[in-house]
Amino acid sequence: GAVVSQHPSWVICKSGTSVKIECRSLDFQATTMFWYRQFPKQSLMLMATSNEGSKATYEQGVEKDKFLINHASLTLSTLTVTSAHPEDSSFYICSARVTSGNAYNEQFFGPGTRLTVL
Amino acid sequence: QKEVEQNSGPLSVPEGAIASLNCTYSDRGSQSFFWYRQYSGKSPELIMFIYSNGDKEDGRFTAQLNKASQYVSLLIRDSQPSDSATYLCAVNVRGATNKLIFGTGTLLAVQP
Repeated sequence: GAVVSQHPSWVICKSGTSVKIECRSLDFQATTMFWYRQFPKQSLMLMATSNEGSKATYEQGVEKDKFLINHASLTLSTLTVTSAHPEDSSFYICSARVTSGNAYNEQFFGPGTRLTVL
Repeated sequence: QKEVEQNSGPLSVPEGAIASLNCTYSDRGSQSFFWYRQYSGKSPELIMFIYSNGDKEDGRFTAQLNKASQYVSLLIRDSQPSDSATYLCAVNVRGATNKLIFGTGTLLAVQP
């Protein structure tokens, strides 16, 4: 299957600071990447859809000014959590959709980034 | 009504038995259906997907789809303790966004 990496795998930061998370598709091009958040014992919640070369599409209730997404190339999307607060502590997971020949929209997930805000 | 529903479990089966995981969805226009496995503290891993009514087999896994009943299931034959994980059902949202809507997942525990 397609390989997606995320960096960092975990991060601890102080309240009020910003944290950037990178998502890379290593062996394929991804026009579209997705950012999810998962709280303990809950399912994945889609935060936004990241489109290469255009603005991200945010889900209802997700603050676009707080969660900045940049998808500057076909292999890299970044999520920046600005002015992080303890309630932003969560498991952030990106996924990428293989662009070519993908009629069924399989998404391949990165390993996730565990964010802890003190 | 939730868009994708799963029984949270836990579903406990003995080693070697068949585990049956079920999922229902509300959007009749959904076209693609996915099963992911998620180990505790890890990200989801795609097991298989299905888009046509009927069965699709891949090794010990069989996905079953019944669009009329809006029902998709995953059978795991010869269950192993290493299969113990949360299994997430995901449905492709009709339209141009290519979003997947996930169920809350079913926790499977395979007893040695």
